[in-house]
Amino acid sequence: GAVVSQHPSWVICKSGTSVKIECRSLDFQATTMFWYRQFPKQSLMLMATSNEGSKATYEQGVEKDKFLINHASLTLSTLTVTSAHPEDSSFYICSATLNRGNGADTQYFGPGTRLTVL
Amino acid sequence: AQKVTQAQTEISVVEKEDVTLDCVYETRDTTYYLFWYKQPPSGELVFLIRRNSFDEQNEISGRYSWNFQKSTSSFNFTITASQVVDSAVYFCALTLTGGFKTIFGAGTRLFVKA
Repeated sequence: GAVVSQHPSWVICKSGTSVKIECRSLDFQATTMFWYRQFPKQSLMLMATSNEGSKATYEQGVEKDKFLINHASLTLSTLTVTSAHPEDSSFYICSATLNRGNGADTQYFGPGTRLTVL
Repeated sequence: AQKVTQAQTEISVVEKEDVTLDCVYETRDTTYYLFWYKQPPSGELVFLIRRNSFDEQNEISGRYSWNFQKSTSSFNFTITASQVVDSAVYFCALTLTGGFKTIFGAGTRLFVKA
């Protein structure tokens, strides 16, 4: 099956620093990638949808300048949490789909990145 | 508005018991897709099944089975003869065509005791 990796798997940083999380599709080209955030014992909340070569589409309430998304190639999307604060501590999960255009595409999820901001 | 409701927050069963996880969804779209994912303690989501809105056939895969009923907007998931390894959080999700957005339910945490 399709494999999606994330790096790093966990990160601890000081408040005010920026953190970059990478999401890679290892054995397929992903035209669309998604970024989710999951707080402890809660569900996944979609943050943004990212298509290769175009700007990400952010969900309502997600700050574009805070969570910078770059989808530079068909196998790589990055999420940068800028000037991180303790309330940004969460589990960040990316997913990727093989095709673009309809909801039938199964999302393949990465293993997640646990961010802790001190 | 679209919504996915998993009313059961936590379920605890003893090994070999059957267990059904409920999922009720809301959408006005006629074409949509429903999914179930498993999230073990490691955190990685594992895809279990996808069902489109035009296919109401029930499906069985080993110990897993799914019952899709459009009349009640439900997509329930049954694990037969549960095992300790089934312990995880299970998410039901709804994806609409065109917009791509996937809405996840709150999840049901399943504990299977030996």
